[in-house]
Amino acid sequence: AQSVSQHNHHVILSEAASLELGCNYSYGGTVNLFWYVQYPGQHLQLLLKYFSGDPLVKGIKGFEAEFIKSKFSFNLRKPSVQWSDTAEYFCAVISSGSARQLTFGSGTQLTVLP
Amino acid sequence: DVKVTQSSRYLVKRTGEKVFLECVQDMDHENMFWYRQDPGLGLRLIYFSYDVKMKEKGDIPEGYSVSREKKERFSLILESASTNQTSMYLCASMAGNTGELFFGEGSRLTVL
Repeated sequence: AQSVSQHNHHVILSEAASLELGCNYSYGGTVNLFWYVQYPGQHLQLLLKYFSGDPLVKGIKGFEAEFIKSKFSFNLRKPSVQWSDTAEYFCAVISSGSARQLTFGSGTQLTVLP
Repeated sequence: DVKVTQSSRYLVKRTGEKVFLECVQDMDHENMFWYRQDPGLGLRLIYFSYDVKMKEKGDIPEGYSVSREKKERFSLILESASTNQTSMYLCASMAGNTGELFFGEGSRLTVL
């Protein structure tokens, strides 16, 4: 079965620090990749997505992610975090063109200290 | 703006009660989902529907059922609520089979 691993469960950073959240998946075929974010008290929303093309994708609020096929990874990055980035971040992967095959990681709680 | 609306943000029920959670989307999406979100466990798929009256079990369907009588509406039913079903329930719809989900605001259910 396909799996998605987010190795960091809770990350605490100071404002202006750089961020990298890891995401690895197990499926070897064609995938679409996502990062979703859930700000406190808000619903889950799409941060960025990769379907094909340039493996470096840019999302909202200065976030970016790089798809490295050889490493089965899709790590999320931001050069300088802000207090407002405090949220839970979920990586998700879908394979085989089947909606049923969407798999989420367990999430990473990011806390940014002012 | 696309919208997924869940009927109840907060519910408190007693053990053994029947619970209905309703979800409506206005995007004409075929695929709709019910997830359960618990701390440290991420999102777990309860049920998935790929068309009207069509459904598939997800990873944790026990104790739940669903209904999709109309394309825009997907309901989650707890026939007899138990305390271990206290959780946040998320409804989502998907654009085609792309994997891109649009979520509702969630329904936080407490079962006493």
